Amino acid sequence: QEQLVESGGGVVQPGRSLRLSCAASGFIFRSFGMHWVRQAPGKGLEWVAVIWFDGSKTDYADSVKGRFTISRDNSKNTLYLETNSLRAEDTAVYYCARICGGNCPGAFDMWGQGTMVTVS
Amino acid sequence: EIVLTQSPGTQSLSPGERATLSCRASQSVASVHLAWYQQKPGQPPRLLIYGASSRATGIPDRFSGSGSGTDFTLTISRLEPEDFAMYYCQQYGRSPWTFGQGTKVEIK
Repeated sequence: QEQLVESGGGVVQPGRSLRLSCAASGFIFRSFGMHWVRQAPGKGLEWVAVIWFDGSKTDYADSVKGRFTISRDNSKNTLYLETNSLRAEDTAVYYCARICGGNCPGAFDMWGQGTMVTVS
Repeated sequence: EIVLTQSPGTQSLSPGERATLSCRASQSVASVHLAWYQQKPGQPPRLLIYGASSRATGIPDRFSGSGSGTDFTLTISRLEPEDFAMYYCQQYGRSPWTFGQGTKVEIK
């Protein structure tokens, strides 16, 4: 079945880096744009970054611009988020989410279970 | 940036009652670009409504969305036990994509 599985989270010191991954299965990954969304403990949802289906375009929230990089490898059905210069305020669960292409264009129609990043 | 403000912050209701959740945008949002998500503790969000009023696949018809411009509403006609959760509105028409701060629907 269609699935997104994040990995790569953990505890990291301020200023260090982590690479998050999101493995897709059960659908044609290369046909879909993808987002990263995060949620700090006990808080709401914050959009982080987006990448077009072919990787040709990316965009970032101001809070992470210049520090985070979104990328994808369509041959491996995997989305990435390189997080650099991490700060305490980056502590959150990081979700990858698929951009709905067909009947609900633009909405986030599939989400992974998330991976926790703790900066401390 | 489009700021979405949801109200109330918490709604305390009993099973079988009607829930009405509001989402107000700081500037006009095209209806085709307004969504609602449900999130339960320890789970990712789930798409309920897209395009302001269209139910996502598998969403029961007790969930309905309406509104246009800057004012949008999610209505749950008769609350089932599994509906007690957090609900977020989202605009996805313009970067940065933004979410409301959420409304918690709790059991009274």
